[in-house]
Amino acid sequence: EVQLVETGGGLIQPGGSLRLSCAASGFSVSRNYMNWVRQAPGKGLEWVSVFYGGGSTYYSDSVKGRFTISRDNSKNTLYLQMNSLRTEDTAVYYCARGPDFWTGTLDYFDYWGQGTLVTVSS
Amino acid sequence: DIQLTQSPSFLSASIGDRVTITCRASQGISSYLAWYQQKPGKAPKLLIHAASTLQSGVPSRFSGSGSGTEFTLTISSLQPEDFATYYCQQLNIYPLTFGGGTKLEIK
Repeated sequence: EVQLVETGGGLIQPGGSLRLSCAASGFSVSRNYMNWVRQAPGKGLEWVSVFYGGGSTYYSDSVKGRFTISRDNSKNTLYLQMNSLRTEDTAVYYCARGPDFWTGTLDYFDYWGQGTLVTVSS
Repeated sequence: DIQLTQSPSFLSASIGDRVTITCRASQGISSYLAWYQQKPGKAPKLLIHAASTLQSGVPSRFSGSGSGTEFTLTISSLQPEDFATYYCQQLNIYPLTFGGGTKLEIK
């Protein structure tokens, strides 16, 4: 069974750093497109970043240069390092799985974690 | 960036109604469009991908159509569990973007 479990959220002051983790089971993060998506309180969904099976990464303009996506294949875990946090980064952060990188294009997110809340406030 | 405009933003309907939600893209995205359902406090759930492909396990009352810049999600006969917020997403060009959402409420 595919599962994604995010951890690492919490209350952080503006300018601070936080690292989110997404532990995967039932598949290998090295094979799939892996994404972070966030949702500010009461707002819609915002895509944040993707890690390709082959190693390429892409980011939204709002986090580029501040956030870094990475993965540890040995731990089957995806990460999001968030630096220089701003109040507008306050959101529930979800990790979401895309298709198998080696057999398909990124055209959907089929499994999502339960999300972890990041609150940036002084 | 590609903007996705969903309409309506809010929709009030009754059990058994047929409802249609529209998603318009600011430029052509071929068929790289997905639809998700989200209930309060829960993660989104994939309903449709490639504009019209029903995700495994999703009831057949859900259907999607369109290509290029205009897409629709149709629910043929609303069930109590369908009252939720629906989002479209384009996966053609980075940055990936979502529509603003359509909240479907019980009339």
